[in-house]
Amino acid sequence: QKEVEQNSGPLSVPEGAIASLNCTYSDRGSQSFFWYRQYSGKSPELIMSIYSNGDKEDGRFTAQLNKASQYVSLLIRDSQPSDSATYLCAVQRNGGSNYKLTFGKGTLLTVNP
Amino acid sequence: GAVVSQHPSRVICKSGTSVKIECRSLDFQATTMFWYRQFPKQSLMLMATSNEGSKATYEQGVEKDKFLINHASLTLSTLTVTSAHPEDSSFYICSASPLDREQETQYFGPGTRLLVL
Repeated sequence: QKEVEQNSGPLSVPEGAIASLNCTYSDRGSQSFFWYRQYSGKSPELIMSIYSNGDKEDGRFTAQLNKASQYVSLLIRDSQPSDSATYLCAVQRNGGSNYKLTFGKGTLLTVNP
Repeated sequence: GAVVSQHPSRVICKSGTSVKIECRSLDFQATTMFWYRQFPKQSLMLMATSNEGSKATYEQGVEKDKFLINHASLTLSTLTVTSAHPEDSSFYICSASPLDREQETQYFGPGTRLLVL
């Protein structure tokens, strides 16, 4: 079983729609969860972080976490063509000096004008 | 704030040569930096965790004698790909977390694209 799983996509949505990206993880000891956006040929940039169950909103982005279901999602409202990128889900199991991130393979999102 | 730089951004070398990549945290100190490798259309794979003042911790399957890591200060880690071969061609990315905020997130450098001929 893969540690962090995401649908590879591509996920295609029209401009202005809501894009929904999903991620599941296997390690119940995971405590921190992140969504990164990666444009082609570039390094990842942080979009959202979430640490407790529920929703966290930041502008057009909402992250949702359900630790019981080991599920984390990212909603992008009013999607724009500039949101077209690969979205990487990452989880972190904090403890001692180990803060390494485990990444999913990413979901390619295409927002069509 | 929280800017991480990498140098060089792109390097082309002949097979058998060594290549050094620098990762610097520009406006914060980091006791821990991470080195990733990403092949085309693949996700980031952690290669090693670089610890300031001590030996790096390598992930399973990563040859420590081939990928030499030195973390000499709280703002600089280097990755040296020794005796590079074409299969080492990849996108190498480092990340760092501000001291005492390691559980918050990692900030990524812009990456170094290595092509071994």
